[in-house]
Amino acid sequence: DVKVTQSSRYLVKRTGEKVFLECVQDMDHENMFWYRQDPGLGLRLIYFSYDVKMKEKGDIPEGYSVSREKKERFSLILESASTNQTSMYLCASSLLGTGGMPQHFGDGTRLSIL
Amino acid sequence: GIQVEQSPPDLILQEGANSTLRCNFSDSVNNLQWFHQNPWGQLINLFYIPSGTKQNGRLSATTVATERYSLLYISSSQTTDSGVYFCAVERASSNTGKLIFGQGTTLQVKP
Repeated sequence: DVKVTQSSRYLVKRTGEKVFLECVQDMDHENMFWYRQDPGLGLRLIYFSYDVKMKEKGDIPEGYSVSREKKERFSLILESASTNQTSMYLCASSLLGTGGMPQHFGDGTRLSIL
Repeated sequence: GIQVEQSPPDLILQEGANSTLRCNFSDSVNNLQWFHQNPWGQLINLFYIPSGTKQNGRLSATTVATERYSLLYISSSQTTDSGVYFCAVERASSNTGKLIFGQGTTLQVKP
C-alpha cells in the first residue's frame, strides 16, 4: 500500500513565524501535491511538483512556497504565517503517467496560527 | 475550468439503508476518484474510476464518461460510513495530475 506521511497531525504556531510542513511518500511517485481544506471552500491546490526541484503553482499559491530536494519529500513553507492560513493541509502523491493516475493522501495537518 | 457538482449536499440515513451519491462534471476527464473523509479528517481513497464499474464490499461506483457523471452506491449503510464523500476529477487535456474536487456530500448514518 502507498504510504504518505505528514510530519504532524496538529500544529500551533504564531503570526509571523516561518512554518514548515513536511510530507514523505514511500512509493517512488513522481507527482506530489499540497492542498488546503477550508469549510465552505472545499479542497484547493496550493502547489504541486512533478519531479525533484520542479514545482508548479496551483490555484492559491500566495503566501506559500515549496521545496522538493528529494523525490520522496515535498515541503510546504509558510514564509510568514498569518491567521488566514489557519486550515487543514493535505499532501498527496501519484505516479506520473498519461491518462491520469490515482492520488493518495496523507492524514492531514491541522494548522492553527495564533 | 472544469466544474464538479455533487448531489445531494447532505444525506441522513438509518443504519441498513442504501444510498446513491452523484457527481456531475462539465468536461472530459482522464481521472475520477471517490474519497471518504472520516471525522478525523483522513481522506481515504475509495475508487479510482475514470470509466466503468467497480465494487469493493458494500460500496460500488459507476462512471459514464460519455455522459459526464459518476455514481457511488452505498449498500447496508453503517454508522462508520458517516463523513464527507468527495468526487475529484482531472481534465483529460491536463496531464498534470491536478485534481478538481467537488464540494462533497455529507453523510450521517444514524443507529
